[in-house]
Amino acid sequence: AQKVTQAQTEISVVEKEDVTLDCVYETRDTTYYLFWYKQPPSGELVFLIRRNSFDEQNEISGRYSWNFQKSTSSFNFTITASQVVDSAVYFCALSGGPYGQNFVFGPGTRLSVLP
Amino acid sequence: GAVVSQHPSWVICKSGTSVKIECRSLDFQATTMFWYRQFPKQSLMLMATSNEGSKATYEQGVEKDKFLINHASLTLSTLTVTSAHPEDSSFYICSARELTGLTYEQYFGPGTRLTVT
Repeated sequence: AQKVTQAQTEISVVEKEDVTLDCVYETRDTTYYLFWYKQPPSGELVFLIRRNSFDEQNEISGRYSWNFQKSTSSFNFTITASQVVDSAVYFCALSGGPYGQNFVFGPGTRLSVLP
Repeated sequence: GAVVSQHPSWVICKSGTSVKIECRSLDFQATTMFWYRQFPKQSLMLMATSNEGSKATYEQGVEKDKFLINHASLTLSTLTVTSAHPEDSSFYICSARELTGLTYEQYFGPGTRLTVT
């Protein structure tokens, strides 16, 4: 069975602070994908990143960066110099197999960035 | 990127009535579509998976007679909540998958907020 754990239920930071959202996953698939989505108050999911299980390179996109470590089954997400607009619920997700069977979301982390 | 639309974006209905939610892939053909339900302050839970032209596969605990899914074409799937009750009030999100060679892309709709009074 596949499982995604996001241990941090809620995080509050002050603007300009850096914040890391943790994600730990479990899967028996050798091929899988990991995702991060942002869900602002409007409810619409915003796709942030997809990472293939064979690609452990870290990625940086503007203020966002991701650290994928297969050895610890973690795919953590860091926001640098956070802004109020970053306030949202962030979901880590996992899909197993080459065609993404069993797409599973983590419980989400609610991030509040205070001015 | 590809777009998935949902209609309506929000709906209020009376208890006992049925409501239909449409999910469309606007610029690609979706071999598989998914329906998720999200209660307040909770994560998205998969309700069912549907492939065009075949019956939907429902997750454990989801009543297939209550949540009717029709995937009539490669661009349209509908979810009908029959005899809705207040406990069915939720945010329903569809997702459409496009196979691209040896991999896939998955896109999410904007969601439909259902309130049953």
